[in-house]
Amino acid sequence: GESVGLHLPTLSVQEGDNSIINCAYSNSASDYFIWYKQESGKGPQFIIDIRSNMDKRQGQRVTVLLNKTVKHLSLQIAATQPGDSAVYFCAEPGAARQLTFGSGTQLTVLP
Amino acid sequence: EAGVVQSPRYKIIEKKQPVAFWCNPISGHNTLYWYRQNLGQGPELLIRYENEEAVDDSQLPKDRFSAERLKGVDSTLKIQPAELGDSAVYLCASSEDGPYNEQFFGPGTRLTVL
Repeated sequence: GESVGLHLPTLSVQEGDNSIINCAYSNSASDYFIWYKQESGKGPQFIIDIRSNMDKRQGQRVTVLLNKTVKHLSLQIAATQPGDSAVYFCAEPGAARQLTFGSGTQLTVLP
Repeated sequence: EAGVVQSPRYKIIEKKQPVAFWCNPISGHNTLYWYRQNLGQGPELLIRYENEEAVDDSQLPKDRFSAERLKGVDSTLKIQPAELGDSAVYLCASSEDGPYNEQFFGPGTRLTVL
């Protein structure tokens, strides 16, 4: 069954504010997670990843936090811009490298 | 460098008709994946190839779906006959060998079955 991806389906934020997108997973043995961004009409695009030996990883304007105790990860986007509007998925590669995606969160940036 | 190329981008067919999708992966990527994405959901893996060998096709509905990757480069995914429930976006992705390598996705083919 699905092991990742209990997302809130939608999130609206004002341009310039910070966004926080959450994801829960069920398999305590999961050791690697990836966040993808999917814009309308395009395939998913890698944003950032994190391994279970870390609890935080930062990229350009994005930060992923991993809480293994409660099996939760979040994607934080600083100073959200209109171009950030998209569906965001957390995903986990299984033992066979099969990516299991969550159901995604639609982020809408309001002017 | 060109990304993953898929064609056609859109396809509309009537039920019971056959349909085929084509994918050209990123040069040098030996691993190729086909995913299906239903509306409002995340992609789900259908089949994974290592070179020309299908190493994981457990989620491929084999009664009507088939795939091939001749010569270990381009791949085609076929549905015959199509059903209404096959309407979805079919995504192709590729990656380098080895665990945890990033999968690069193509733009997908949006299939509508009437």
